[in-house]
Amino acid sequence: GQNIDQPTEMTATEGAIVQINCTYQTSGFNGLFWYQQHAGEAPTFLSYNVLDGLEEKGRFSSFLSRSKGYSYLLLKELQMKDSASYLCAVMDSNYQLIWGAGTKLIIKP
Amino acid sequence: IAGITQAPTSQILAAGRRMTLRCTQDMRHNAMYWYRQDLGLGLRLIHYSNTAGTTGKGEVPDGYSVSRANTDDFPLTLASAVPSQTSVYFCASSGTSASTDTQYFGPGTRLTVL
Repeated sequence: GQNIDQPTEMTATEGAIVQINCTYQTSGFNGLFWYQQHAGEAPTFLSYNVLDGLEEKGRFSSFLSRSKGYSYLLLKELQMKDSASYLCAVMDSNYQLIWGAGTKLIIKP
Repeated sequence: IAGITQAPTSQILAAGRRMTLRCTQDMRHNAMYWYRQDLGLGLRLIHYSNTAGTTGKGEVPDGYSVSRANTDDFPLTLASAVPSQTSVYFCASSGTSASTDTQYFGPGTRLTVL
């Protein structure tokens, strides 16, 4: 079966750095996405990786290792507004997104 | 309007009733999707449409139907609602179904079936 694993919840301090991991087992791979979802709102796109390596976009970076079936999202200089759930999703061989359950990130002052 | 709109925002429905959730996008995207999101689970794909006039089944299609008469609209119908269909429903769209195309989400419909 297809499976996306990420931690259920993480806590970090304002101004710090946090890394959210995602491991996947899917039928085929056509890219990995990270989305942010604030409570009660829709998911919004953060990043896309299809090749191995690090993609940096401001305070957020995303890393992919296809051979290990592994990705992480790195958030720097954490702000209170970063409190949200972070969703990892993999596009499979049918070009359908398979979603993880999400990681709820709690930022403390 | 800009982006994707969904209606209603929330609904309480008696079991056995028929319900249509509406989704409209104004981005001229070819591909559209319906997901449900339940606590502790990832988003699960119900149905999708790669282009107007075509639809396909996702991971959890039973009890739901869709149509895609034009590019902008993609309604989701529950023919006879059951309590297990209580969920938050998100509509999404992307330019195409290609891997590089980001999916953009509507605000969601919170549905409770009693």
